[in-house]
Amino acid sequence: AQTVTQSQPEMSVQEAETVTLSCTYDTSENNYYLFWYKQPPSRQMILVIRQEAYKQQNATENRFSVNFQKAAKSFSLKISDSQLGDTAMYFCAFMKPNNNDMRFGAGTRLTVKP
Amino acid sequence: GAVVSQHPSWVICKSGTSVKIECRSLDFQATTMFWYRQFPKQSLMLMATSNEGSKATYEQGVEKDKFLINHASLTLSTLTVTSAHPEDSSFYICSARVSREKLFFGSGTQLSVL
Repeated sequence: AQTVTQSQPEMSVQEAETVTLSCTYDTSENNYYLFWYKQPPSRQMILVIRQEAYKQQNATENRFSVNFQKAAKSFSLKISDSQLGDTAMYFCAFMKPNNNDMRFGAGTRLTVKP
Repeated sequence: GAVVSQHPSWVICKSGTSVKIECRSLDFQATTMFWYRQFPKQSLMLMATSNEGSKATYEQGVEKDKFLINHASLTLSTLTVTSAHPEDSSFYICSARVSREKLFFGSGTQLSVL
C-alpha cells in the first residue's frame, strides 16, 4: 500500500517570502503521479501542481514549484512570493496510473501573514 | 475545464434517516468516480470507487450497506448514507477521472446528523 507523509502540521510565512512544504511517500511502484492540492476555507480541492514520476524535470506552475527526489521518495512544494490568498490546507497526494484512486497525506496548514 | 458538481453542499438530517448525495460530471463522461470522507482538520480518506454499470469497490472498514453507491450513468454517481447517525457527520467529497492522470473534485457536502 502507498503511504504519504506530511510531517509539518502547520507552517506560517510572511507575505512575499518563500516557503517549502515537505512530503515523503512510500511505494514499490516505478511509475506514478504526485500532486499538491490546496484546500482553502471553502473546502474546494484545487490542484496546485502535478508531477509524473518518470519525468526527471521538476514541475513548475508560476509561483509554485516542486523538488522531486525519486530515489529519496520526496516531493516538496515551494511557494515563492507568498500571497495572502495562499493561506489554506495543502495536501500532498499519490496516484498510481492504472487505478486512479488518490491517496492523501495528513495535510499542512499554511498561514501567510501580512 | 472539467467541472464536477456535487449536491447538496450541506444537509442536516435526523438520526435514523437516509441522505443522498449526488456527484455529476458536467462536461465529460466519467466511468469512474471516487468518494472521500473528511473529518474536521483531517485528510481525505477514500471510501469507495464508483464504477459505471457495476458494483462499487469499497475500502477496508467502509460498510457497504451503510454507504450505498450507485453509478447508473456516465455522468452521475450517488452516495446514500442509510440510517444516518451522529458519527456519520462529516464532509463528503467526490471526484471524477477526466483522463489518465487527471481528477477533478466536487465542492463537497457537509452532513450533520442530529
